[in-house]
Amino acid sequence: ETGVTQSPTHLIKTRGQQVTLRCSSQSGHNTVSWYQQALGQGPQFIFQYYREEENGRGNFPPRFSGLQFPNYSSELNVNALELDDSALYLCASSLVAGGDTDTQYFGPGTRLTVL
Amino acid sequence: AQSVTQLGSHVSVSEGALVLLRCNYSSSVPPYLFWYVQYPNQGLQLLLKYTSAATLVKGINGFEAEFKKSETSFHLTKPSAHMSDAAEYFCAVTSYGQNFVFGPGTRLSVLP
Repeated sequence: ETGVTQSPTHLIKTRGQQVTLRCSSQSGHNTVSWYQQALGQGPQFIFQYYREEENGRGNFPPRFSGLQFPNYSSELNVNALELDDSALYLCASSLVAGGDTDTQYFGPGTRLTVL
Repeated sequence: AQSVTQLGSHVSVSEGALVLLRCNYSSSVPPYLFWYVQYPNQGLQLLLKYTSAATLVKGINGFEAEFKKSETSFHLTKPSAHMSDAAEYFCAVTSYGQNFVFGPGTRLSVLP
């Protein structure tokens, strides 16, 4: 069974640029959630995708957007990067069946630094 | 809205001593509760979860947690700390149809 993978592991961008982060779900999972973890803090929920549609969003501006593909992999896109976007971005996959909640399994994260 | 508080941003114990990490939650509906561990520069690894079955939940690496509805708590314990337990620990709450809400985390240090 393949776990959750994320790419790249590290990324450095400058203010105003755009970035795309990628996530491959654990085999058999149909839901992907993205989190932002600033240094010394807990993960903050960005949004979730279920069967290729956004299924919940946290308190993040529209410049944070995402996609989920038919194979359940996912992308997180951030436009007009700001210094405060520097963080560890975590992807988590889960199997949601019939609207129930299941355990989220996390990838290793992508460390984004905005200069 | 759901929320999680973790008392103590940093806890230090001696090797072999009891580990107790505190988690209190707020939820207007029956919660599902989780503990995750994060080692430096890594993602989160599931330690254990409570999903309305037994109130005492056993997890990996000798950790366990007890769900106490009357106290809205889900504290994490381990009888004897090991050096390899040093990490950041996060408590999280969710419920049917809701998203995960994480606490701020507790950094556990284990002293030789």
